[in-house]
Amino acid sequence: AQSVAQPEDQVNVAEGNPLTVKCTYSVSGNPYLFWYVQYPNRGLQFLLKYITGDNLVKGSYGFEAEFNKSQTSFHLKKPSALVSDSALYFCAVRDGDSNYQLIWGAGTKLIIKP
Amino acid sequence: KAGVTQTPRYLIKTRGQQVTLSCSPISGHRSVSWYQQTPGQGLQFLFEYFSETQRNKGNFPGRFSGRQFSNSRSEMNVSTLELGDSALYLCASSPGVSATNEKLFFGSGTQLSVL
Repeated sequence: AQSVAQPEDQVNVAEGNPLTVKCTYSVSGNPYLFWYVQYPNRGLQFLLKYITGDNLVKGSYGFEAEFNKSQTSFHLKKPSALVSDSALYFCAVRDGDSNYQLIWGAGTKLIIKP
Repeated sequence: KAGVTQTPRYLIKTRGQQVTLSCSPISGHRSVSWYQQTPGQGLQFLFEYFSETQRNKGNFPGRFSGRQFSNSRSEMNVSTLELGDSALYLCASSPGVSATNEKLFFGSGTQLSVL
């Protein structure tokens, strides 16, 4: 069965410091991985995705994510956090070899302190 | 290009009533999917429609239903509302051609409160 885990409910980072939001997954086939961000009272916005190719994926707003097949992880990173990065972040996975639905993590609240 | 539009933005209903939520996708998008978001359960997939056909369905009871019209607009209906149905209901659209790797475009959601 497909599953996604975001082990941290909340991550606190000081502005200017690097940030990491963790995601691990489980699928039987090739993983298609996504990160979305949700600002207060808004829908989700796409950040980046990994389908195939380079393990380091660059996305919107300076975010990037590293696909690690051996650790089944897809952690979201940013070299220097901004207060405006404070939001709820969701990781999602789909088994690329099937037509199964997208499975979502529970979300991680990112708080960037000035 | 206009984004995904969901109406209404807020709804208050009482137990036992039914409710219909509407979603207008981005022009040209043929896939519409629906999600329920709650603080405790996170984001739960309800169903996906593509060209007026339900292509995928989550694990929700039959009280939750949906449909898609020829112009790709979609509606979601919940009958016999329960307190636990209180949630933010999100609609997302995508071109739908390559379902597995397309990014989704989300609306702002409909906040449903059941009293």
